[in-house]
Amino acid sequence: QQPVQSPQAVILREGEDAVINCSSSKALYSVHWYRQKHGEAPVFLMILLKGGEQKGHEKISASFNEKKQQSSLYLTASQLSYSGTYFCGTEQKNSGNTPLVFGKGTRLSVIA
Amino acid sequence: DVKVTQSSRYLVKRTGEKVFLECVQDMDHENMFWYRQDPGLGLRLIYFSYDVKMKEKGDIPEGYSVSREKKERFSLILESASTNQTSMYLCASKFSGVTLWDTQYFGPGTRLTVL
Repeated sequence: QQPVQSPQAVILREGEDAVINCSSSKALYSVHWYRQKHGEAPVFLMILLKGGEQKGHEKISASFNEKKQQSSLYLTASQLSYSGTYFCGTEQKNSGNTPLVFGKGTRLSVIA
Repeated sequence: DVKVTQSSRYLVKRTGEKVFLECVQDMDHENMFWYRQDPGLGLRLIYFSYDVKMKEKGDIPEGYSVSREKKERFSLILESASTNQTSMYLCASKFSGVTLWDTQYFGPGTRLTVL
């Protein structure tokens, strides 16, 4: 079951904040966040595990709401380098070798 | 650092040709995956492998096959390429653990054009 990401696209000015959501209709074990710049491979940002705490990476953090089966990625004081497409990948079970199921992505553009 | 490499960044083939895409990882990961990426559709799983000589179909296996003869190498094969297989192909690998670092690591991708 493919998770749903929202919004599909967002444009920010440098210094502004953004929130990207990833929702599933199924119970999740983990949510993995990636950023992909044009023409490059997706780069891993962070994992949120069921029962885990909010994670942080520079000025990018994320949370996982188990009741809603939704993860949110928070980008604060955005920089030009944050531009790219953000994907969430989800796992429904803790098996170690289950492929991630990815959302369609959220395109983030940060302008000066 | 985990390194996943793919044999070509860009590839142009003709309809009906047999196409091989190679992926190699250097971290002794058990699991390897092939995805295709198309605008508006995100990343879709074609096949994955959790061990040498083992393979599982993903969401869109039709028209593709895979081979994993060695742990570090996972090949995607298009038996008879068609224009609707023009896409970006991404390989990934993952250790079979369940810690905060056990995520999928991606290669740079191969942009395949079938004419």
